[in-house]
Amino acid sequence: QKEVEQNSGPLSVPEGAIASLNCTYSDRGSQSFFWYRQYSGKSPELIMFIYSNGDKEDGRFTAQLNKASQYVSLLIRDSQPSDSATYLCAVRFAYGQNFVFGPGTRLSVLP
Amino acid sequence: EAGVVQSPRYKIIEKKQPVAFWCNPISGHNTLYWYLQNLGQGPELLIRYENEEAVDDSQLPKDRFSAERLKGVDSTLKIQPAELGDSAVYLCASSLVWTGNTGELFFGEGSRLTVL
Repeated sequence: QKEVEQNSGPLSVPEGAIASLNCTYSDRGSQSFFWYRQYSGKSPELIMFIYSNGDKEDGRFTAQLNKASQYVSLLIRDSQPSDSATYLCAVRFAYGQNFVFGPGTRLSVLP
Repeated sequence: EAGVVQSPRYKIIEKKQPVAFWCNPISGHNTLYWYLQNLGQGPELLIRYENEEAVDDSQLPKDRFSAERLKGVDSTLKIQPAELGDSAVYLCASSLVWTGNTGELFFGEGSRLTVL
């Protein structure tokens, strides 16, 4: 049974701070990692994906992957109130296979 | 380009009644997923289709749930009879899986079911 865990929330950070969201996964053979953002009452939308060890940056967002530790994280720099949402970590074992989602971490950015 | 379309957005029924949800994926997407999402939880896969074929329905409670994807496009998820514990949001997602792209999921707005 493939499992994905995320740090329990809610996570509250002040506006302008760095928000750090963490995710661990059980299947060492997993290949692809995705971060989705879900606003309350809305559907998940993709923020970033990462396949290789290291960092991947896209604007204010940085995804970090460490396959040896089975750990993936999402950093949000200069957090804005509009970043307040639930962030879902999704892991895919192999291309074309199912996505396994974590329970999500709710982030609140305080003005 | 139109996104994933689901209907109805909201449905309230009494237990033991049947209910059906419909999904129209993004045009050209060959893979379609139905997920269940409970409040405060991540989506959980119910069934995955590749074109017309259900390639993973291991998590679908087949005693009361059924799904179909005719002609490899639209899909319908049915619950009969519904139980109180079925109250949740049913999310449909689609993706285009071919060599060279990420194959990420695109979600519809979801169908929120309340069973009384």
